Amino acid sequence: ELKVEQNPLFLSMQEGKNYTIYCNYSTTSDRLYWYRQDPGKSLESLFVLLSNGAVKQEGRLMASLDTKARLSTLHITAAVHDLSATYFCAVDRDGGSQGNLIFGKGTKLSVKP
Amino acid sequence: DTGVSQDPRHKITKRGQNVTFRCDPISEHNRLYWYRQTLGQGPEFLTYFQNEAQLEKSRLLSDRFSAERPKGSFSTLEIQRTEQGDSAMYLCASSTAGGNEQFFGPGTRLTVL
Repeated sequence: ELKVEQNPLFLSMQEGKNYTIYCNYSTTSDRLYWYRQDPGKSLESLFVLLSNGAVKQEGRLMASLDTKARLSTLHITAAVHDLSATYFCAVDRDGGSQGNLIFGKGTKLSVKP
Repeated sequence: DTGVSQDPRHKITKRGQNVTFRCDPISEHNRLYWYRQTLGQGPEFLTYFQNEAQLEKSRLLSDRFSAERPKGSFSTLEIQRTEQGDSAMYLCASSTAGGNEQFFGPGTRLTVL
């Protein structure tokens, strides 16, 4: 069965702290996507990781991809309240670029003062 | 271009009625995707088009569901004889042919009473 598993599913952090969200997947995909979703809103693309070893950073978020381990991480540095949202990772079902994405269940992040 | 748009944003219907949703992709994108998202879950792939051709359909897409993209621009998703289990957020996304990054619309929230 094709799976994308995120860990943890719920994360409550204090402002200023660091934490990492993990995304394990079972397809042979060599690309991985991270999205952010605010309550009641649609998905906003954060990162597209296209190859093994890819690392991308935007502000306090940094994403990396290890295709051999089938693992991606989303690292949060010095969290702020504005980062509170649900974060999804997704991979191509067939390992190609058809765009048939499988999403994880999401990690609901709550950053408290 | 203001991104992917969807109409309506909310739809309440009675069980057994038919509903139709519309999606307008980003104008230069020739791929268009439909996903369904239920509460607390990640989006689930339903179907996708490249131009006017429907290239893949998920097993989730029962016979009551049909999608079209007649001129390769906007798309419609119709659900016939709606059931309470159809209640969900229906998301549309679009991308270029390379399919690297999908941009999501605001979604149509369907409630079946």
